Amino acid sequence: AQKVTQAQTEISVVEKEDVTLDCVYETRDTTYYLFWYKQPPSGELVFLIRRNSFDEQNEISGRYSWNFQKSTSSFNFTITASQVVDSAVYFCALSDTGAQKLVFGQGTRLTINP
Amino acid sequence: SQTIHQWPATLVQPVGSPLSLECTVEGTSNPNLYWYRQAAGRGLQLLFYSVGIGQISSEVPQNLSASRPQDRQFILSSKKLLLSDSGFYLCAWAQNYQPQHFGDGTRLSIL
Repeated sequence: AQKVTQAQTEISVVEKEDVTLDCVYETRDTTYYLFWYKQPPSGELVFLIRRNSFDEQNEISGRYSWNFQKSTSSFNFTITASQVVDSAVYFCALSDTGAQKLVFGQGTRLTINP
Repeated sequence: SQTIHQWPATLVQPVGSPLSLECTVEGTSNPNLYWYRQAAGRGLQLLFYSVGIGQISSEVPQNLSASRPQDRQFILSSKKLLLSDSGFYLCAWAQNYQPQHFGDGTRLSIL
């Protein structure tokens, strides 16, 4: 069965600090997708990134970067120079490549203090 | 462009009452559709998904059911709500192996 673990339940940092959100996954599939979603206080889920299991290149998008390491089954998310607007719950998720049923971690609540 | 609509945004229902939550997608055809539930302070769990009209797959045994009467319409229902049905319900769509995009959700409180 597929499983996603986000061991950090809550993280609180001061603005401009860098912060890394951890994600570890389990799957028996050889092909799969990994995702990060952001859930602001308003509740909607905002898609941030998807990685294919064959693509282990790290990705950077502005202040956001993602580190995918198949050897450790991890897909970590780093926010550089955090801002108050980054405060949200962040979910890591895993899906198959067929019906793309998402399996979510429990989420990490990130609070950026001014 | 594609959009997804969910309603109502909030709902307060007594135990034992029926439920109907609706989700529609615009701007595309034959999308995959999904219902997720988020219990308070927890992650999201997939309840149902559909790859076409009339095709519903249930992921967990529960008091809820889903239907897809039209291509872009996905309905979540219950005949008699339980206290444990409280939560935040999210509908999502995806197509052509693209990432799922979510609606704004429905906050359901059972009294």
